[in-house]
Amino acid sequence: GDSVTQMEGPVTLSEEAFLTINCTYTATGYPSLFWYVQYPGEGLQLLLKATKADDKGSNKGFEATYRKETTSFHLEKGSVQVSDSAVYFCALRPSGGSYIPTFGRGTSLIVHP
Amino acid sequence: EPEVTQTPSHQVTQMGQEVILRCVPISNHLYFYWYRQILGQKVEFLVSFYNNEISEKSEIFDDQFSVERPDGSNFTLKIRSTKLEDSAMYFCASSEGGATNEKLFFGSGTQLSVL
Repeated sequence: GDSVTQMEGPVTLSEEAFLTINCTYTATGYPSLFWYVQYPGEGLQLLLKATKADDKGSNKGFEATYRKETTSFHLEKGSVQVSDSAVYFCALRPSGGSYIPTFGRGTSLIVHP
Repeated sequence: EPEVTQTPSHQVTQMGQEVILRCVPISNHLYFYWYRQILGQKVEFLVSFYNNEISEKSEIFDDQFSVERPDGSNFTLKIRSTKLEDSAMYFCASSEGGATNEKLFFGSGTQLSVL
């Protein structure tokens, strides 16, 4: 079945460092891809999305490009802030059959001043 | 922004006991979901609910689980006889659409501990 694999955390960075969180997926067809973020004490919230190959999703300085050839959707940010400390979840929504989103395990990001 | 509310935030129960986890979805949403995350593992889909009935469920959602929308606002998950392996964070979510559910809104979760 469909699945999402994320790099294990925690990822620990200093403020203004470059961030990459890897995500690869297994799915048939052309799923939509998402990154959700969960700040401490809050629910998961949609950060960005991409619905077809080569699309780039972006929001709040974060970016991710839908790479069908490598089945990847890595999350990047050029300069992280302390306020970016959170858990980041990669997810996919199948293109047919079930439309229920499938999530990864989440990657914790800790940014130090 | 409107939000999904879950209560309680933490629930401790004894093995074999029944628990009810409560959720208040966003008021104009029509599709509701329960997911869970066992510590260190993936967020797993349990069930989706639309028009007062289950629209889809996973293999995890066996006869021990049930969902209900008892009134116009609450959406509950009941576990009839809890097992140790039911210990997890349970997330409720809602969305405006089903097949077009590109954006799910999640609650902050209920941490269930079964002793």
